[in-house]
Amino acid sequence: GQQVMQIPQYQHVQEGEDFTTYCNSSTTLSNIQWYKQRPGGHPVFLIQLVKSGEVKKQKRLTFQFGEAKKNSSLHITATQTTDVGTYFCAGPFGNTDKLIFGTGTRLQVFP
Amino acid sequence: DTGVSQDPRHKITKRGQNVTFRCDPISEHNRLYWYRQTLGQGPEFLTYFQNEAQLEKSRLLSDRFSAERPKGSFSTLEIQRTEQGDSAMYLCASSTGQGARADTQYFGPGTRLTVL
Repeated sequence: GQQVMQIPQYQHVQEGEDFTTYCNSSTTLSNIQWYKQRPGGHPVFLIQLVKSGEVKKQKRLTFQFGEAKKNSSLHITATQTTDVGTYFCAGPFGNTDKLIFGTGTRLQVFP
Repeated sequence: DTGVSQDPRHKITKRGQNVTFRCDPISEHNRLYWYRQTLGQGPEFLTYFQNEAQLEKSRLLSDRFSAERPKGSFSTLEIQRTEQGDSAMYLCASSTGQGARADTQYFGPGTRLTVL
């Protein structure tokens, strides 16, 4: 079945350092979505990428969709303690709307 | 508050009991989804509705699970004869459901179920 993997599983960084999480799908995706989940919270939508090779930026966050539409990355520049949480990528399964979530990358930022 | 709401936020029950959760989606969102999330894992799809029609059910949804959306607005998820393995966070999400393209899903705060 379709699988979405993320690496690394955990990342601990010093405040001000950069952070990157990588997402890989076993199948081609029509789009990729990124969510952030704070400890004890629920997934919050960050962004959706649709086009091959697309790059989008949200302040210190840069999202990229691979040319083959099977992988994606999220890069955070100069992390802050407010970036703490688990970052999930998710893609639609087949031609439906249901999302297959990645395994997530848990980010811890030390002040 | 115009976001997705879920009730209750926490539920502790004894094995074998039945539980029911409620989800109120964002107003005018046609699609409503149920996911289950266990500690350290990403949300896993359970089922979803387009208005009142249940379009798909995951294999994860055993016969003890049933979901309804009778009027195309709020939805309920019932688990009969709960087992300890049912302990998880049950998340509800909704989206506008425009066409076949997956659009943004907005998640509720979840219901954390603990089965003793």
